[in-house]
Amino acid sequence: DSGVTQTPKHLITATGQRVTLRCSPRSGDLSVYWYQQSLDQGLQFLIQYYNGEERAKGNILERFSAQQFPDLHSELNLSSLELGDSALYFCASSVALASNEQFFGPGTRLTVL
Amino acid sequence: EDKVVQSPLSLVVHEGDTVTLNCSYEVTNFRSLLWYKQEKKAPTFLFMLTSSGIEKKSGRLSSILDKKELFSILNITATQTGDSAIYLCAVKTSYDKVIFGPGTSLSVIP
Repeated sequence: DSGVTQTPKHLITATGQRVTLRCSPRSGDLSVYWYQQSLDQGLQFLIQYYNGEERAKGNILERFSAQQFPDLHSELNLSSLELGDSALYFCASSVALASNEQFFGPGTRLTVL
Repeated sequence: EDKVVQSPLSLVVHEGDTVTLNCSYEVTNFRSLLWYKQEKKAPTFLFMLTSSGIEKKSGRLSSILDKKELFSILNITATQTGDSAIYLCAVKTSYDKVIFGPGTSLSVIP
């Protein structure tokens, strides 16, 4: 158990819908990362937040957005869902901005029908 | 475009064998290279490498980075069935972007 929690565990929804994935980092960790893992694309970095501020952006679609709240939990919002958005979404946290060791949560499996 | 390539993509060995997993990269503003092990669920951290030629070791696993040739290897000696997993290589840039390779799927059979 890494100490990072993610909810929900599984999510099934229809195309065109919007969902919110939630992540609570390990106690004391200020940095949160979001990743998407699909069979054909592997693990893709989406976005990083540090202490409430967006820090780095990867391959995140415009239909996706994220934020980190004052209590350091983070939410990833996915809208206008498409079949191809079906994937495992991981959140990871690290202590500091420059920390290289990230602790991954168990993931949220999103299925878009 | 930043890129991380791993080889082989899949590997099946017998218990006791030694394996070498490869990771090569082309990124701008390299900061560090990381190895992760992913079993059924989330990746777990193995090593972080920032300097060339310095071997990191943890039990039967070891890894080394060559920043001139832009690659890293992960060695696992005396493999066990519990080593069966996907091994992910990732590169972190100075701008905090993280690029993962496709992974190497290792299966260790008794």
